[in-house]
Amino acid sequence: EDKVVQSPLSLVVHEGDTVTLNCSYEVTNFRSLLWYKQEKKAPTFLFMLTSSGIEKKSGRLSSILDKKELFSILNITATQTGDSAIYLCAVGPSPGNAGKSTFGDGTTLTVKP
Amino acid sequence: NAGVTQTPKFQVLKTGQSMTLQCAQDMNHNSMYWYRQDPGMGLRLIYYSASEGTTDKGEVPNGYNVSRLNKREFSLRLESAAPSQTSVYFCASSLGPGGPEAFFGQGTRLTVV
Repeated sequence: EDKVVQSPLSLVVHEGDTVTLNCSYEVTNFRSLLWYKQEKKAPTFLFMLTSSGIEKKSGRLSSILDKKELFSILNITATQTGDSAIYLCAVGPSPGNAGKSTFGDGTTLTVKP
Repeated sequence: NAGVTQTPKFQVLKTGQSMTLQCAQDMNHNSMYWYRQDPGMGLRLIYYSASEGTTDKGEVPNGYNVSRLNKREFSLRLESAAPSQTSVYFCASSLGPGGPEAFFGQGTRLTVV
């Protein structure tokens, strides 16, 4: 059974801090790793990672994948209160498991002014 | 461009009642999904439809049924609601089984009393 574990479960920081969120996985037929941000309502897509060592970047957010050690990290620099959200990591569907993404329990990030 | 639309947004049911959650997407996506999210937990897949005309069980299918009515619509039915089904339900869609990123609806908050 596929498994995705995120850490920490929750994190409280102050504006301007840098945070690192972790995601480890155990899956068969790995194809992609996905990061989502969930504020009050629906998760919204952030990054898709398929190759080791290639950083994806969007503004103050960046993410990287290590397929050898089976983990990914999401970095947020110069955090703002608007970064407060649940960050979800998921392993995307694979050819042998079409349609099934497996999600971690999420990291709840709170950024205080 | 509405994306993924779910109805209703909120619902309270009595134990034993039935109801259907509706979901429609206007992005011409092939794959659609139903997830539930419980407090402190990530998204757990209930059922999915990799393409029109097919449906498959996810991680937590017991107590639910689905119908892929056409390419746009994917409904979730609770035949006899139980308090354990109190949760937030999300519908999502993706371009294909290898999408991979999913686009989510705004969620339905269901309470079973």
